[in-house]
Amino acid sequence: DSGVTQTPKHLITATGQRVTLRCSPRSGDLSVYWYQQSLDQGLQFLIQYYNGEERAKGNILERFSAQQFPDLHSELNLSSLELGDSALYFCASSVHRDRGMNEQFFGPGTRLTVL
Amino acid sequence: GQNIDQPTEMTATEGAIVQINCTYQTSGFNGLFWYQQHAGEAPTFLSYNVLDGLEEKGRFSSFLSRSKGYSYLLLKELQMKDSASYLCAVRDRRGQNFVFGPGTRLSVLP
Repeated sequence: DSGVTQTPKHLITATGQRVTLRCSPRSGDLSVYWYQQSLDQGLQFLIQYYNGEERAKGNILERFSAQQFPDLHSELNLSSLELGDSALYFCASSVHRDRGMNEQFFGPGTRLTVL
Repeated sequence: GQNIDQPTEMTATEGAIVQINCTYQTSGFNGLFWYQQHAGEAPTFLSYNVLDGLEEKGRFSSFLSRSKGYSYLLLKELQMKDSASYLCAVRDRRGQNFVFGPGTRLSVLP
């Protein structure tokens, strides 16, 4: 158990719909990262938040957005869903030091199926 | 641009040694990580290299050559439970953006 929690574990929805995925980081971790993992692709970095502010942006579609709240939990919002958005969505957290490992600890993931 | 290459699949025998290579070309470098991921599960951290050389951690070792943009993960005394995907990831110069490689699926056979 990494200490990172994600809800829900599974989500089944229809094309065109909107969903929200939730992540609570490990206690003390200020950075939260979101990743998408499809069957035919590796782990794709979407976005990172640090202490409530957006820190880095990867291959995140305009239909997707995220935020990190004052209690440091984060939500990833996916809208106008398409079949190709079906994937495992992982959240990871890390402490934030200028130097050092800052390794990421991953949550169990949310499996999204768009029908 | 950012590019990380790993072999797609590897097969090895229980008790043997296997080396999984990773080459990278990124806009900056601030550390290389190896993660293990069992099918349908979350990646788990294995090792970290930021300076050239070998880091040993039990049955697992990781090597880095920054000048060559090259790393490898060495797994000794393979066990069936080591069957998993192994992901190489590079942290960029800004220090917080991670780029993951496609992963190497390792099958350990009896």
